[in-house]
Amino acid sequence: EAQVTQNPRYLITVTGKKLTVTCSQNMNHEYMSWYRQDPGLGLRQIYYSMNVEVTDKGDVPEGYKVSRKEKRNFPLILESPSPNQTSLYFCASSLQPPPGYEQYFGPGTRLTVT
Amino acid sequence: SQQGEEDPQALSIQEGENATMNCSYKTSINNLQWYRQNSGRGLVHLILIRSNEREKHSGRLRVTLDTSKKSSSLLITASRAADTASYFCATDAAGANSKLTFGKGITLSVRP
Repeated sequence: EAQVTQNPRYLITVTGKKLTVTCSQNMNHEYMSWYRQDPGLGLRQIYYSMNVEVTDKGDVPEGYKVSRKEKRNFPLILESPSPNQTSLYFCASSLQPPPGYEQYFGPGTRLTVT
Repeated sequence: SQQGEEDPQALSIQEGENATMNCSYKTSINNLQWYRQNSGRGLVHLILIRSNEREKHSGRLRVTLDTSKKSSSLLITASRAADTASYFCATDAAGANSKLTFGKGITLSVRP
């Protein structure tokens, strides 16, 4: 089944404790991205990747890192999480970068930073 | 910056009625897409309409695009309780490759 998977689905952590949220797609997609969703703010893009070893900042990259060492994986790293990073996170992928390609979303990771 | 803005923010209708949701945007676009999100889950792509298209259909969905008014509408006909979800428009601005900007979403409730 074609899909985007994320792990973990739920995570509660403390301020400053490094964490990684994994994202993997099995559709051989070139483009992958991370979004965060907050009430009243909609979806905002954190980082995106056009292809292996090619990443770039989205609208809200501060406090996040990403890497794209393999085509299928695009982990999101929070080196020192803070409470304002409490949010619902989505990974997405598409065959090619926008414009004109539908995005496939993962199921989401709900992160709480205390 | 927010490109797409949906309207209304929330909509409640009876099963069987039609639901119309609107999206306005600020700058010229290549394409506009609509997505659905069931509570707390990932977004699911519904339909993509290109800037040179005016109307597109997919099952009970009808999307229109008016580039002169910089607006789009999503019509769901004969709504069902299962259509209850949040709906988002997403635009990719002309000349700004690799970026898709989502609106804040419309919450649709379909009462059985």
